[in-house]
Amino acid sequence: RKEVEQDPGPFNVPEGATVAFNCTYSNSASQSFFWYRQDCRKEPKLLMSVYSSGNEDGRFTAQLNRASQYISLLIRDSKLSDSATYLCVVNLVAGRRALTFGSGTRLQVQP
Amino acid sequence: NAGVTQTPKFQVLKTGQSMTLQCAQDMNHEYMSWYRQDPGMGLRLIHYSVGAGITDQGEVPNGYNVSRSTTEDFPLRLLSAAPSQTSVYFCASRGRRGGSSTDTQYFGPGTRLTVL
Repeated sequence: RKEVEQDPGPFNVPEGATVAFNCTYSNSASQSFFWYRQDCRKEPKLLMSVYSSGNEDGRFTAQLNRASQYISLLIRDSKLSDSATYLCVVNLVAGRRALTFGSGTRLQVQP
Repeated sequence: NAGVTQTPKFQVLKTGQSMTLQCAQDMNHEYMSWYRQDPGMGLRLIHYSVGAGITDQGEVPNGYNVSRSTTEDFPLRLLSAAPSQTSVYFCASRGRRGGSSTDTQYFGPGTRLTVL
């Protein structure tokens, strides 16, 4: 079992749609959670951190469910520019500060 | 700030050759790491460092060496290149001294390596 698992997709959605991605992680002691975005052949960039109470940044909402060990990302009103791969990232080991990345979920927003 | 820089951007090697991928950051970050990214595999941690003079192995360290003589630089050495090392390599840095596990990790632009 992978330490951080994501559905690879691709998710093909029309502009304006709402889309949600889930990610599960294996270590219940994990401390920190993030969503990164990666455009084709580019480096990953932080989209948002995920906090225990859930958090929102514009059209993006991230949630954490510690009991079930998953995090989610909701994108509302999808734009063409949202097309990218979304990486679920977890700080699995307390104190080591090494991040573990999921394989990514590819999103394609179509006109 | 330049952020995290990597050189070269592209490299082609023959099997058995050695080379060093360079990585530097100007954000005074303590924590630096190297990842490789292969199709469908996500980013896998090769080696990391929590400060100058301190390095440790990640998930896939075989065939690679690292050193951290300064805070700014974290080179990755391929000792004897193999076709299985064909990949995109990303260097990343994160966190100043006293920082937390929620610190943002910044990536360099990557090095695309092909081993023939």
